Amino acid sequence: DQQVKQNSPSLSVQEGRISILNCDYTNSMFDYFLWYKKYPAEGPTFLISISSIKDKNEDGRFTVFLNKSAKHLSLHIVPSQPGDSAVYFCAASGAGGTSYGKLTFGQGTILTVHP
Amino acid sequence: DAGVIQSPRHEVTEMGQEVTLRCKPISGHNSLFWYRQTMMRGLELLIYFNNNVPIDDSGMPEDRFSAKMPNASFSTLKIQPSEPRDSAVYFCASSRGSNYGYTFGSGTRLTVV
Repeated sequence: DQQVKQNSPSLSVQEGRISILNCDYTNSMFDYFLWYKKYPAEGPTFLISISSIKDKNEDGRFTVFLNKSAKHLSLHIVPSQPGDSAVYFCAASGAGGTSYGKLTFGQGTILTVHP
Repeated sequence: DAGVIQSPRHEVTEMGQEVTLRCKPISGHNSLFWYRQTMMRGLELLIYFNNNVPIDDSGMPEDRFSAKMPNASFSTLKIQPSEPRDSAVYFCASSRGSNYGYTFGSGTRLTVV
């Protein structure tokens, strides 16, 4: 039962163009969403997050959009740079209480930015 | 802060042997998580602890897997006996709690031959 899904295993983009990574979730109890970036031989690192009370959060070249009615979020990278080439994981967290910040991750999307 | 420290970085073992993976979380973080990364399922939660107490181990695949957190600065994930299908990268992560996100270790790449 995959509660967080990233249906695109890979994405290839030209340097300078926009990269759009998508993520869908099924659990309506999720109220906090995060994106992580992972380079080979390293652990995932936090990139950007969004609370369910918002529909957009921006941090430099990275913007996350949340569409609660569609249970869909996306990460936009503008402009894309070769250093952005990595695996991107979408993650979701339920309400506080007993979840203790437990994150449910998607399968990941491999982004390749070509010079 | 040195971050989340995992050891060993790589482990190659023969089928049937016991394997122990180790994790030192960030000081002050009260939640610790063990994940396994596979191509098919991405990052799969195995077990997590809060204040050293196991909260949810429903992700542990079989009785061959066990995890302990004897104190706030150390946790182990043990596989006994190991099987080739256990080959994966195992990550430990720690957090201060809800909505703070995780800090991951660099992972242990386990190969069971």
